[in-house]
Amino acid sequence: AIRMTQSPSSFSASTGDRVTITCRASQGISSFLAWYQQKPGKAPKLLIYAASTLQSGVPSRFSGSGSGTDFTLTISCLQSEDFATYYCQQYYSYPLTFGGGTKVEIK
Amino acid sequence: QVQLVESGGGVVQPGGSLRLSCAASGFTFSSYGMHWVRQAPGKGLEWVAFIRYDGSNKYYADSVKGRFTTSRDNSKNTLYLQMNSLRAEDTAVYYCAKDGRETFDPWGQGTLVTVSS
Repeated sequence: AIRMTQSPSSFSASTGDRVTITCRASQGISSFLAWYQQKPGKAPKLLIYAASTLQSGVPSRFSGSGSGTDFTLTISCLQSEDFATYYCQQYYSYPLTFGGGTKVEIK
Repeated sequence: QVQLVESGGGVVQPGGSLRLSCAASGFTFSSYGMHWVRQAPGKGLEWVAFIRYDGSNKYYADSVKGRFTTSRDNSKNTLYLQMNSLRAEDTAVYYCAKDGRETFDPWGQGTLVTVSS
């Protein structure tokens, strides 16, 4: 199975900050990578697929980049509603696998 | 709009069985693959199973292979997860999700399964 490693596992940030989360795959996955946002007690929500394509309705302050084994999710100007946990997911091959998550907390 | 509603969760003893359902609406259910994903309390996400739109292909995580079976009834717009030989480590919120070329969008609200004596 392809192992997905996210970093950091958590960090604190302030509203207005630019934040970057990293996801690394244990083998090349081309651009078959998605990002999800999950708020406490809620189901995850798809933000980005194909590494850099924004899902419909997702604010443009979210962006994704990368291919192969290294990927990033960037939030250009953190808003209060962005404090949540973020997960990457590879869909290059089954079993589909997620990163361990990155919790973005309020500083 | 697309809506997915899971049901069937609850408390079950180790070794027991449970069947989860996921009622779908707002899209042509019979045209889409469907997934099950779970999340243990306070932990991350784990993909569990996938079923093709017509039920012809199914994939499972190694952790549930041979114990869990996913199926669907396209006439009822409903997805199922039959869980047998349940273990404490199967305790989780179970989500169903519509397949988007192997991404998950959207997700249901989830149903909690607790395996405990």
